[in-house]
Amino acid sequence: QVQLQESGPGLVKPSETLSLTCTVSGGSISSYYWSWIRQPPGKGLEWIGYINYSGSTIYNPSLKSRVTMSVDTSKNQFSLKLNSVTAADTAVYYCARHHTSGTYLYHFDYWGQGTLVTVSS
Amino acid sequence: DIQMTQSPSTLSASVGDRVTITCRASQSIGSWLAWYQQKPGKAPKLLIYKASSLESGVPSRFSGSGSGTEFTLTISSLQPDDFATYYCQQYNSYWTFGQGTKVEIK
Repeated sequence: QVQLQESGPGLVKPSETLSLTCTVSGGSISSYYWSWIRQPPGKGLEWIGYINYSGSTIYNPSLKSRVTMSVDTSKNQFSLKLNSVTAADTAVYYCARHHTSGTYLYHFDYWGQGTLVTVSS
Repeated sequence: DIQMTQSPSTLSASVGDRVTITCRASQSIGSWLAWYQQKPGKAPKLLIYKASSLESGVPSRFSGSGSGTEFTLTISSLQPDDFATYYCQQYNSYWTFGQGTKVEIK
């Protein structure tokens, strides 16, 4: 059974960089595509971007200028960096796996439990 | 951007009721639609993919239908465990979610 676990600081200061890591267990990070999704408190879900095992990325155009994703296959981990954060970036951040067939990406079939990141001084 | 609009935003229902949630896309997405259930403090859980395919392990009282721009999620007989928020999500072009429908106890 594939499991995903987010980790990283729960509090980030305005203008600084939010950094999170997702550790995948119960399966290999290879051959799949992996996304970050966030949910502000009491609000809906927003896709941030995806990365695959070789490091190919696609980001949400609305966040593209501030987002960087990376992958470490030796640790079965992938990471998110979001720079120049403001209070509007306060959210629960989820990592998730795409149901994948070759290079076709579909829905999200496995999710991490989520981690709350608060942007505040 | 493809916008997803769910209705209603909140739905009050009783155990045993048949419940239908609607999701409309701002442009045609074929059948590239998924439905998720989310409970407070938990990650979304996949229920339906490709508009009408039931995810393994999901009770058969959940069903999905539709194509193009209009989709529905139906719960045939609402159970106590089904009180939650439901989200539709398109994956025809990037990935965007509806705003959610909260199913609450009447």
